[in-house]
Amino acid sequence: DIQMTQSPSAMSASVGDRVTITCRASQGISNYLAWFQQKPGKVPKRLIYASSSLQSGVPSRFSGSGSGTEFTLTISSLQPEDFATYYCLQHHTYPRTFGQGTKVEIK
Amino acid sequence: EVQLVESGGGLVQPGRSLRLSCTASGFTFGDYTMSWVRQAPGKGLEWVGFIRMNIYGGTTEYAASVKGRFTISRDDSKSIAYLQMSSLKTEDTAVYHCTRDYGSASNNDAFDIWGQGTMVTVSS
Repeated sequence: DIQMTQSPSAMSASVGDRVTITCRASQGISNYLAWFQQKPGKVPKRLIYASSSLQSGVPSRFSGSGSGTEFTLTISSLQPEDFATYYCLQHHTYPRTFGQGTKVEIK
Repeated sequence: EVQLVESGGGLVQPGRSLRLSCTASGFTFGDYTMSWVRQAPGKGLEWVGFIRMNIYGGTTEYAASVKGRFTISRDDSKSIAYLQMSSLKTEDTAVYHCTRDYGSASNNDAFDIWGQGTMVTVSS
């Protein structure tokens, strides 16, 4: 199985900060990588697909990069509505595997 | 509107069975492999399994944690995917979501649409 190691598991940041979250795959997954945002009690929302493509309707402050085994989600200027938990997901092979999640909290 | 709606959750005793349904609308259901994903209270997301499109045989794959106990099926005429859960354990307690996986035309739709989820509580 492909393991997705996501870091950090939690972080505190301020409005306006640049935030970077990383996912490392235990083997190459090409660009079959998506990023999700989840707020408490809500359904996960896809932000990024194919590693770097922005989901329609998602603000341009979100961006993704990477290929193979190293992937990054960047929020260029954190906004109040961005405080949430973020997950990566590989869908290159089965079983599909999610990262452990990164909780972004207000500093 | 593209939509997925799950139903069938509830409280069930350990060792018993339960069947969840996922009803799709707004897209051609038969053109997509469908996945189930669960989230235990306060925990992260866990992929449960998927069922391929019928053009790929309609075959299934499962997470190790549910293999042999859970069965996914589909009825393309009704645009419904099912998750049959047997020999339920307390650790199966979670919100269960269905989501569309890869499509016949592209992988770019994978996991873009999620249902609101249905809660399954396994407890005596």
